Amino acid sequence: QAGLTQPPSVSTDLRQTATVTCNGNSNNIGFQGAVWLQQHQGHPPKLLSYRNGNRPSGISERFSAFRSGNTASLTITGLQPEDEADYYCTAWDSSLNAWVFGGGTKLTVL
Amino acid sequence: QVQLVQSGAEVAKPGASVKVSCKASEYTFNNYFIHWVRQAPGQGLEWMGSIKPPWANTNYAQKFQGRVIMSIDTSTSTVYMELGILRSEDTAIYYCARELGSPDYWGQGTLVTVSS
Repeated sequence: QAGLTQPPSVSTDLRQTATVTCNGNSNNIGFQGAVWLQQHQGHPPKLLSYRNGNRPSGISERFSAFRSGNTASLTITGLQPEDEADYYCTAWDSSLNAWVFGGGTKLTVL
Repeated sequence: QVQLVQSGAEVAKPGASVKVSCKASEYTFNNYFIHWVRQAPGQGLEWMGSIKPPWANTNYAQKFQGRVIMSIDTSTSTVYMELGILRSEDTAIYYCARELGSPDYWGQGTLVTVSS
């Protein structure tokens, strides 16, 4: 099944801003938006943003999710060492009747 | 708080099947979908399918149709995922996740190793 497209890796300096992008189409991101997940090594994924871009309780304001057309993006400001993790976007695809995932982006904090 | 607690690690032989459980607590079980997502070693997340309590309506990813069965025991708020005709490529961590628009809670994961 066709998935979403993310860059494999992003590297940004400590205390700077990182952006992770996620490209889909009108059947998934363009249809209902994307969800962002964070996964640290050896742990299950953790929800960072709902489909509408809102943050769950307990998620830092440094994490912001946006959507423009068929592209979703996650911006992390004031990067901290603990932000080093894998980030996944996911969305419901109405034509496939399935969840689709991006391949994941490994964020390195320099 | 909301919890999804999965069964322990499994080792299975090629051609066999494995059944993983996911016990939900501290929320209204019937109101949410449960999805199964797997992650092979060093790889990304892959959606396998979903099931909706209480009537166990299922939706399987095309890749797993014919090999996966998801079921529910509403009396214990437990969801099961059985994967059959196992091959080495099925070695992965299997996660369950609760969803009603967004996958907001995840189980801790169950490592399934397929090896002869």
